[in-house]
Amino acid sequence: SQKIEQNSEALNIQEGKTATLTCNYTNYSPAYLQWYRQDPGRGPVFLLLIRENEKEKRKERLKVTFDTTLKQSLFHITASQPADSATYLCALGALGKLIFGAGTRLAVHP
Amino acid sequence: EAGVAQSPRYKIIEKRQSVAFWCNPISGHATLYWYQQILGQGPKLLIQFQNNGVVDDSQLPKDRFSAERLKGVDSTLKIQPAKLEDSAVYLCASEIQGFEQYFGPGTRLTVT
Repeated sequence: SQKIEQNSEALNIQEGKTATLTCNYTNYSPAYLQWYRQDPGRGPVFLLLIRENEKEKRKERLKVTFDTTLKQSLFHITASQPADSATYLCALGALGKLIFGAGTRLAVHP
Repeated sequence: EAGVAQSPRYKIIEKRQSVAFWCNPISGHATLYWYQQILGQGPKLLIQFQNNGVVDDSQLPKDRFSAERLKGVDSTLKIQPAKLEDSAVYLCASEIQGFEQYFGPGTRLTVT
């Protein structure tokens, strides 16, 4: 069956450290993958897009990798801050639409 | 630029009642999406419009859900009759081109 898996448990890290979130998928062949941030009571906000022929994408303190062989994307936030605390959703661009994972909650502690 | 507007923000209804949600996308965005997000899950696509035509409604429970996008701008999503399992946040998103979607704040529906 088709699945998108993100860490269901919250990720707790110390301010200043690098947060690494994982998105694994099975039985999809996405043309691209996106990461969104969602704060409580708000809609998701787009962060980064990476295409199937790209290995890595960076934007300020954010970095995304995409390994189509492993069927995995890693999302990194360097020098994390308490303001980075939120739920992060990965979304596959496949079958003509975006298919979202359940998200991973990140808590950055001062 | 103004973002995607949705109303109401919250709605509580009893099962078997009907409810409607409204969405105003970002000006000029031809593509509009409705998603359902159940607590603890990611958004699930219900329907996609391109201008005022339906592109994908394969996951819309058509026996109770309906949606329209008149004149290719605003959109309304209706549930009639509602069931307990329809309790969720209903998100509207729009897109001009490419792949980045802009989401509204959502409508939190509670069915009792």
